[in-house]
Amino acid sequence: GESVGLHLPTLSVQEGDNSIINCAYSNSASDYFIWYKQESGKGPQFIIDIRSNMDKRQGQRVTVLLNKTVKHLSLQIAATQPGDSAVYFCAEKPIQGAQKLVFGQGTRLTINP
Amino acid sequence: GAVVSQHPSRVICKSGTSVKIECRSLDFQATTMFWYRQFPKQSLMLMATSNEGSKATYEQGVEKDKFLINHASLTLSTLTVTSAHPEDSSFYICSARRAGDQYNEQFFGPGTRLTVL
Repeated sequence: GESVGLHLPTLSVQEGDNSIINCAYSNSASDYFIWYKQESGKGPQFIIDIRSNMDKRQGQRVTVLLNKTVKHLSLQIAATQPGDSAVYFCAEKPIQGAQKLVFGQGTRLTINP
Repeated sequence: GAVVSQHPSRVICKSGTSVKIECRSLDFQATTMFWYRQFPKQSLMLMATSNEGSKATYEQGVEKDKFLINHASLTLSTLTVTSAHPEDSSFYICSARRAGDQYNEQFFGPGTRLTVL
């Protein structure tokens, strides 16, 4: 469903540790998923995407996992750095509903030195 | 490539005035642009989908007459907030879908902070 006005959950990790950010999506018919990073006062920045015919995709220091059985998406960030501090959003594209993306509520990632 | 700009980056206006925000795709053609609104500590809420040369499709609950959208070219869409009120104060973000892309990756602009006094 559409994102609602909830306060953002927060994940705190130590610098150098791995971060795992989770997202539960709503539509079992969604065929495309994206993770975005948003820093304060800026627009979202593309991180990585995955299509529904895949269950894992890796990028530079990031991995996205897709579990369609339980409608769950995760973003793993390896060796978290201070520059990774931001709000992370997952987005899904339902097959129906034309071209729009539906955004999750977001997770704020903070890095402890 | 795939850079989207917005202008202005921030604007302060008096209640009752209208404000226009521009969204441009700088290095690609965008058949579709999207307008989002984001309140503090919340997610992006889609307001409308704008297709070049046709009327915008508004999400449920978004007033068409208040948020006027024009997508006159493949690189420019504008959002005009008419008769703005303090409750319209928000972060407005546009995104663009590149013509010919198979999947729905959207490239986002940097956002416009609107403050209505």
